[in-house]
Amino acid sequence: TQLLEQSPQFLSIQEGENLTVYCNSSSVFSSLQWYRQEPGEGPVLLVTVVTGGEVKKLKRLTFQFGDARKDSSLHITAAQPGDTGLYLCAVLKGRNNDMRFGAGTRLTVKP
Amino acid sequence: ETGVTQSPTHLIKTRGQQVTLRCSSQSGHNTVSWYQQALGQGPQFIFQYYREEENGRGNFPPRFSGLQFPNYSSELNVNALELDDSALYLCASSSGTGGYEQYFGPGTRLTVT
Repeated sequence: TQLLEQSPQFLSIQEGENLTVYCNSSSVFSSLQWYRQEPGEGPVLLVTVVTGGEVKKLKRLTFQFGDARKDSSLHITAAQPGDTGLYLCAVLKGRNNDMRFGAGTRLTVKP
Repeated sequence: ETGVTQSPTHLIKTRGQQVTLRCSSQSGHNTVSWYQQALGQGPQFIFQYYREEENGRGNFPPRFSGLQFPNYSSELNVNALELDDSALYLCASSSGTGGYEQYFGPGTRLTVT
């Protein structure tokens, strides 16, 4: 069983549409990170959320941390082809610096 | 400021062989973490090195080993390669351990045949 369950696994939309992807767990976390990974590259950190209920905005991207700090969502407004990529959520688990990632949502935005 | 670099970009090895992958950390970073990313999956934590010492390890067998050098660059060594070791190997550097922002390299694509 994955520590972090991401949904949907795949998402293909047209330019201009809005979308939301989710990262869920039964565990409570002190913080959660979202990354975007493009083909042939490593993941790039988008945001870190630390407070239950926190909402952070990064241009057209809105990130929310659940009140109970068990889940998070990423909402993209008016998606663009440049938003195409693998969106990963991640948490720091335990004391051995073990960063755990979900399996990701692979987003394709068609022009 | 130079980013994280990895070499080689691609590598093909035969089952049972040994491989060494290399990572140069970003300037000013003293911590390097290694991850294995299988096709269609998120990265899995292998281990972390902080100031030349292993500082945490994920659920990987001992045939996965590493080194960090005084300039904070790092190597990942994998012995007795298995077909399931085929993956993208990522390294990430940071200016500390335990939650500092990690900067990832582009990865090394390893194929084991």
